[in-house]
Amino acid sequence: EIVLTQSPATLSLSPGERATLSCRASQSISTYLGWYQQKPGQAPRLLIYDASNRATGIPARFSGSGSGTDFTLTISTLEPEDFAVYYCQQRSNWLTFGGGTRVEIK
Amino acid sequence: QVQLQESGPGLVKPSETLSLTCAVSGYSISSGCYWGWIRQPPGKGLEWIGSIYHSGSTYYNPSLKSRVTISVDTSKNQFSLKVSSVTAADTAVYYCANSRFYWNEVYYHYYMDDWGKGTTVTVSS
Repeated sequence: EIVLTQSPATLSLSPGERATLSCRASQSISTYLGWYQQKPGQAPRLLIYDASNRATGIPARFSGSGSGTDFTLTISTLEPEDFAVYYCQQRSNWLTFGGGTRVEIK
Repeated sequence: QVQLQESGPGLVKPSETLSLTCAVSGYSISSGCYWGWIRQPPGKGLEWIGSIYHSGSTYYNPSLKSRVTISVDTSKNQFSLKVSSVTAADTAVYYCANSRFYWNEVYYHYYMDDWGKGTTVTVSS
């Protein structure tokens, strides 16, 4: 099983700041990684697929990068609605999720 | 726009079988896409359970495969989940979702695009 480790567990930032979230895989997964956003009481929403491709309707302030074992989700300028929990998910070997990073208002 | 809605008992006794259905509207299951189930224990992260194509082709999480069955009913435009021999560890919010990943004229189950709102299932006597 491929284990995804997300860091930090919690990120405290202010609106307008840049957010950088990390996801590390236990073995190489090429670019087979996605990112989801989940707000309290809601289902997750797909943001990024295959490391760097934005899903339909996702704003350009969300971007993804990385390959192999190290991946990054960047939110260029945090909007109030971006404070949420973010999960990475790999598709290289079955489907598994990371433990999540909470982006909270500082 | 596709909409998904989970339904089923909110309380299941230990050792019994959990059964959920996902009704799909705004899109014909037979038109394509994979259809899957994901769960989230209280206060925890996400776990993929499995996915199915309208033809009946399935993929299951190896850690749950022995207890899980996913089926599709194209006449009712819905798909279902059964988890047998449940324990308290199966208590979770259960989501259904679709996967619209399409490459070289083939659909894949790789990412979850559209989601239902989720339904809470508690395993308790």
